[in-house]
Amino acid sequence: KQEVTQIPAALSVPEGENLVLNCSFTDSAIYNLQWFRQDPGKGLTSLLLIQSSQREQTSGRLNASLDKSSGRSTLYIAASQPGDSATYLCAGPPMEAGNNRKLIWGLGTSLAVNP
Amino acid sequence: GAGVSQSPRYKVAKRGQDVALRCDPISGHVSLFWYQQALGQGPEFLTYFQNEAQLDKSGLPSDRFFAERPEGSVSTLKIQRTQQEDSAVYLCASSLVAGISSPLHFGNGTRLTVT
Repeated sequence: KQEVTQIPAALSVPEGENLVLNCSFTDSAIYNLQWFRQDPGKGLTSLLLIQSSQREQTSGRLNASLDKSSGRSTLYIAASQPGDSATYLCAGPPMEAGNNRKLIWGLGTSLAVNP
Repeated sequence: GAGVSQSPRYKVAKRGQDVALRCDPISGHVSLFWYQQALGQGPEFLTYFQNEAQLDKSGLPSDRFFAERPEGSVSTLKIQRTQQEDSAVYLCASSLVAGISSPLHFGNGTRLTVT
């Protein structure tokens, strides 16, 4: 059964630090991978989607990479700000025949950026 | 609207009551997903619609759960004879194309509390 691990579970840093959040799948066969952020009491906001043919995606201060051979993804946050405080989740659909709709989710990394 | 809208935002039901949760996806989005999220957990897939067709309902936990999207836009998740274990946040998401090849856009969810 495909499982997703996110490390660390929680992170507290001073403002301005560069951060690395990790996501790994037990079965490296995933179709694509998305990173989301979730603010307390809110839904999820899609940050980056890495397609199966891609190795990384960038948006502003965020960069996500995907190594399909190892089933690992990294979200890099540059020059962190207090507004980045949230829970970050990764999710991807396992490469099962006929499955292009179910996402397998990690439990998230809870990030606190302190001013 | 500009985003996915869910209503009600909060719902308190007595055990045994029926509830209906509404989702207004982004206009023109083909795919619609329902997820259930328990506190501190990642979302769990419930069901998937491609336009009006419910192509996957394998995540619905019991036959008390029913979802529909009759005209391929608004969707309703109905839970009959609610139980305490149904208490969770119910998230709706839509995406532009079929499957999960494009980013998911989530609503803020409906927090259901069964007393």
